[in-house]
Amino acid sequence: EAGVAQSPRYKIIEKRQSVAFWCNPISGHATLYWYQQILGQGPKLLIQFQNNGVVDDSQLPKDRFSAERLKGVDSTLKIQPAKLEDSAVYLCASSLGTAVNEQFFGPGTRLTVL
Amino acid sequence: KQEVTQIPAALSVPEGENLVLNCSFTDSAIYNLQWFRQDPGKGLTSLLLIQSSQREQTSGRLNASLDKSSGRSTLYIAASQPGDSATYLCAVCGSSNTGKLIFGQGTTLQVKP
Repeated sequence: EAGVAQSPRYKIIEKRQSVAFWCNPISGHATLYWYQQILGQGPKLLIQFQNNGVVDDSQLPKDRFSAERLKGVDSTLKIQPAKLEDSAVYLCASSLGTAVNEQFFGPGTRLTVL
Repeated sequence: KQEVTQIPAALSVPEGENLVLNCSFTDSAIYNLQWFRQDPGKGLTSLLLIQSSQREQTSGRLNASLDKSSGRSTLYIAASQPGDSATYLCAVCGSSNTGKLIFGQGTTLQVKP
């Protein structure tokens, strides 16, 4: 069974530029999560989708971050404009449903903002 | 607001030693608790998931316990090996049952040959 796929794996941009990350969850998984992991910290949830609807985006900086999950499968996370403090690893995870089910993580995208 | 703390932040042990990693959380109203492993530059691999009604889970040389009332979980690793070297993260899912995980900052383990 294929795992969660993410691309690109690495991205370096200048501050104030825009960037987009892509995630393809495990087939059949209804719930998709985007986490931000700053160096030395645990991941922090940015946004959670159930199919193509948003369940929780309370910690998403909506003035610069946006995310969508078209047709309830793939998802993209965008940052525009990027700030230095956005340098982090962006992790995508998926699960069959919500609380009872385990979350499976992709390899992440490491973003460096210069 | 739920907060998750892991102590110690880093740990170095000789190969073969049994060890315990600690995780504490401030709100005992959780739905489940999950332990993950993270290798450098990689994503997270789920190790064990403990439902709130359970006391422990075992997988091979790993055993995780949960004491909801005291807000604590431990991950026990038996007969440690150099391949166990990684960062170990615990995460709790709140009782609101949305699936949202709150993570600790992790314990970085080094097992020396």
